[in-house]
Parts: sequence; structure tokens; C-alpha cells
Amino acid sequence: AQSVSQHNHHVILSEAASLELGCNYSYGGTVNLFWYVQYPGQHLQLLLKYFSGDPLVKGIKGFEAEFIKSKFSFNLRKPSVQWSDTAEYFCAVTSTGGGNKLTFGTGTQLKVEL
Amino acid sequence: GAVVSQHPSWVICKSGTSVKIECRSLDFQATTMFWYRQFPKQSLMLMATSNEGSKATYEQGVEKDKFLINHASLTLSTLTVTSAHPEDSSFYICSAADRYEQFFGPGTRLTVL
Repeated sequence: AQSVSQHNHHVILSEAASLELGCNYSYGGTVNLFWYVQYPGQHLQLLLKYFSGDPLVKGIKGFEAEFIKSKFSFNLRKPSVQWSDTAEYFCAVTSTGGGNKLTFGTGTQLKVEL
Repeated sequence: GAVVSQHPSWVICKSGTSVKIECRSLDFQATTMFWYRQFPKQSLMLMATSNEGSKATYEQGVEKDKFLINHASLTLSTLTVTSAHPEDSSFYICSAADRYEQFFGPGTRLTVL
């Protein structure tokens, strides 16, 4: 069975700081990778996704993620965070043969301070 | 992205009653919908996979007789929490899937008194 781990449970940054949230998955086959964001009181929104091709994926709001197959990682990055980026971030994976069934990581709570 | 709605957005009920939550995909036909449960400050836990016209597939540990799922059409799936108890209080989220990804509803906050 596949699993997803997010190393940072809580991250606090000042505005303009750079962000990197770790995500590792365990699955031996082909995967599709996702990062979702959940702003306070709102529903999950897709930030970006990787299916194939260029392993550096650019998403909305200036976020990007890099798929490193050898490390089973899909870390999320943003060069300069804003207060409005305060939210919970979830990494998730689907696998070929598993349909669209998503396995979520435990989430990282990001707080950006002014 | 596609739009998925849930109704109601929050509900409070007495212990022992049943509650129905609707999930609708508004702008596409979803052969597969998923139901998740999210506890405070925790991740989403998949409860079941709902396929239109067939029985739902439940994850291990999820009571199918307690959480009844009906996927009657390509745009509507319902989750009924039967004989609800306080421990069923949670945030329930549905998603509708196309071939490549899932689109999430806004969630339903259930509080059982």
C-alpha cells in the first residue's frame, strides 16, 4: 500500500521568507502527485500536480514542486511567502492501478507572520 | 477546475438520529465520488469510494451499515450517517473525480449532541 509522509507538521515563517515543505511517498510503481491547500474555513484547493514530463511543476500563487524519483520526494516550494499563504498544505498521491484513489499526507500547518 | 457542492454545510443533530449529506458535481459527470472524514488538525481519511450505479467500496474500519452511501446519478452522491453518536461528529468532505484528479466539495460539519 502506498503512503505519504510530510515531515513538517507546523511551520512558522516571516513574510518574504522562502518556503520548502517536504513530502515523501512510498510506492514502487508509477505515481501521480498533488499538493492541496486548505485555507482557514475553506475547502481543499489544488495547488499543483505532477503526472509526467518536466519534474519541476509550477502551480498557482507562485508555488512550485519538484518530483525527484530517486528520492521518492515531491517537495513544495515558494521563494517568498505572504501572510495570505497561511493555511494547511497536504501532499497526496495516486498510483496507477489504484484509480483516482488519493492517499494524503498528514498535512503541514503553515503560519506566515507579518 | 470543476465545482463540487455539498449540502448542508453544517448540521447539528441529536444522538440516535440519522443525517444525510449530499454531494453534487455541478459542471461535469462524475462516475466516481469519494467520501472523506477529517478530524480537527488532521489529514483526510478516505471512508469510501462511490461509483455511480453500484455499491460503494468502503475502507477498512469504516462501518458500511453506519455510513450509507448512495450514488444514484452521475452528479449526485449521498452519505447518510445512521444512528449518529457524538463520536461521529466530524468534518465530512466529498470529492468528484474525472479521469485524472479529484475536485473537492466545501465539506459538511456534523455535530452530534
